[in-house]
Amino acid sequence: GENVEQHPSTLSVQEGDSAVIKCTYSDSASNYFPWYKQELGKRPQLIIDIRSNVGEKKDQRIAVTLNKTAKHFSLHITETQPEDSAVYFCAAIGPRGYNKLIFGAGTRLAVHP
Amino acid sequence: DVKVTQSSRYLVKRTGEKVFLECVQDMDHENMFWYRQDPGLGLRLIYFSYDVKMKEKGDIPEGYSVSREKKERFSLILESASTNQTSMYLCASSLGLAGSYEQYFGPGTRLTVT
Repeated sequence: GENVEQHPSTLSVQEGDSAVIKCTYSDSASNYFPWYKQELGKRPQLIIDIRSNVGEKKDQRIAVTLNKTAKHFSLHITETQPEDSAVYFCAAIGPRGYNKLIFGAGTRLAVHP
Repeated sequence: DVKVTQSSRYLVKRTGEKVFLECVQDMDHENMFWYRQDPGLGLRLIYFSYDVKMKEKGDIPEGYSVSREKKERFSLILESASTNQTSMYLCASSLGLAGSYEQYFGPGTRLTVT
């Protein structure tokens, strides 16, 4: 079945620096790749997503890139701020549809002032 | 604004008890999901439902069952709770239309089995 690997598991940056989180997936048929942010004590929320017909998508300080050939996608956060501190999860749509997402293990990002 | 609610934020149960976790969504979503979240393991799918009375096993269904009698409500049942089921349980829902994959999560239930 589909498998999603996420790296690194923890990431510590200084405020203003960039942060990059990388994920790889196994099912070449996957065509949807979202990123969720979970702040401490809160529920995961979608922050950005990309579909397989697009190579890059930006939304203000966050961007996602997709390399279908290599089966990996990445989240880029520029000019990090303390409020970016959270756990980030990547995911890929699973086989057989049903809107089933397969999640990575998560990356805990800490942004230090 | 999509709202997904869960019956309890914190729950403490004893080994062997039958435990019910309830999830309700108010946006007429077709799909509903139950995950457990453990440190370093991410979100693992227990069961999901794509229609009333329809269910499918996820990646870790052992020890769990589910019920979906009404579209808005999806219940997770631990038939005989064990200490290794101590975890954060998250419910989610999504619209269910082709191409509409965003999942909306509930606040989670932190279950402790002693």
